[in-house]
Amino acid sequence: EIVLTQSPATLSLSPGERATLSCRASQSVSSYLAWYQQKPGQAPRLLIYDASNRATGIPARFSGSGSGTDFTLTISSLEPEDFAVYYCQQRSNWLGTFGQGTKVEIK
Amino acid sequence: EVQLVESGGGLVQPGGSLRLSCAASGFTFSSYWMHWVRQAPGRGLVWVSRINSDGTSTSYADSVKGRFTISRDNAKNTVYLQMNSLRAEDTAVYYCARDDILTGTDYWGQGTLVTVSS
Repeated sequence: EIVLTQSPATLSLSPGERATLSCRASQSVSSYLAWYQQKPGQAPRLLIYDASNRATGIPARFSGSGSGTDFTLTISSLEPEDFAVYYCQQRSNWLGTFGQGTKVEIK
Repeated sequence: EVQLVESGGGLVQPGGSLRLSCAASGFTFSSYWMHWVRQAPGRGLVWVSRINSDGTSTSYADSVKGRFTISRDNAKNTVYLQMNSLRAEDTAVYYCARDDILTGTDYWGQGTLVTVSS
């Protein structure tokens, strides 16, 4: 089973700051890594697929990078609506494991 | 517009059964794999199961294998999750999600809450 470990658990930042979130896989997932944003009471929203491709309608301030076992989601300048929980997910096999999430909170 | 609407959640006693449904619209349902993902209160997302486009192939998380069964009816544009031998730890919001071959799980329903308690 592929385990995804996200860090940090919580990121306390101010609007306008840069956010850098990490996701590490226990074995290579190639580029089959996605990032989701979830706000309280809402379903997850796909942000990034295949490590670095923005989903439809996602602002350019969101970017993803990495391959193999180490991945990064970067939010270049936090907007008020970006404070949420972010999850990574791998789809290199059919057991679509998620990371445990990183909460981006207002400092 | 792609829509996924889950139903069938509710309160059930430990050891009981429940069948969740997810009605899809706005896309060619029979062309897409589908997933169920759950989220316990205050916890993270956990993948539960997936089914291929014609229903001939399924996969399950170890935690539900042998107890849950995913199926679909392409004529009704609906995917199901039959949950048997339910445990307290199965309490969660259950989401269905569409799997796009290019982008992965790109659309999600709003979820249905399953509570397992005596």
